[in-house]
Amino acid sequence: TQLLEQSPQFLSIQEGENLTVYCNSSSVFSSLQWYRQEPGEGPVLLVTVVTGGEVKKLKRLTFQFGDARKDSSLHITAAQPGDTGLYLCAGVGTGFQKLVFGTGTRLLVSP
Amino acid sequence: EAQVTQNPRYLITVTGKKLTVTCSQNMNHEYMSWYRQDPGLGLRQIYYSMNVEVTDKGDVPEGYKVSRKEKRNFPLILESPSPNQTSLYFCASSSRRPSGIFSGELFFGEGSRLTVL
Repeated sequence: TQLLEQSPQFLSIQEGENLTVYCNSSSVFSSLQWYRQEPGEGPVLLVTVVTGGEVKKLKRLTFQFGDARKDSSLHITAAQPGDTGLYLCAGVGTGFQKLVFGTGTRLLVSP
Repeated sequence: EAQVTQNPRYLITVTGKKLTVTCSQNMNHEYMSWYRQDPGLGLRQIYYSMNVEVTDKGDVPEGYKVSRKEKRNFPLILESPSPNQTSLYFCASSSRRPSGIFSGELFFGEGSRLTVL
């Protein structure tokens, strides 16, 4: 079974701070996704990274896929209270038609 | 509006009382899947379906059944619920690209919180 470990598990910061969330595995994935989940709702896809070393930006969020396609990071610049939520990475395994989700990082951004 | 609809959203039941959580999507997606979400464990896949009448086990299928008789519906059945099935359940769907490859973008329902006493 492929596993994805996220760190940190919890992060509580002040508005305006920067942060990075990590998603690591010993397995290679054909692509990796990041989802955000708000209380009472299902996860919503933020981005998919496909190529090793790929960097994608979504406003203040920067996503990077590791060169070996085993890990990824999410960097948020100048966090805002609206960024509060549970961030989940998900890997699509080579040859698999299903996703493996990470353990999640719960982010709280206080005004 | 494109959506995945789950029912019920909240349910408290007792051990052994059969229950079904329904899931319906209006996006004509071929792929559907059920996950359970538990603190510290992330989302774990229970069952998935690549198309009508095609289902397969995920990582934690024990105690669950599914069926896919129609493209839009993918119900999750707990024949004899136990307390360790207390969890938050999500149904999700996805489309295939023209190449036939799974697109990978999952659309989730709002979740069904189940408590088994």
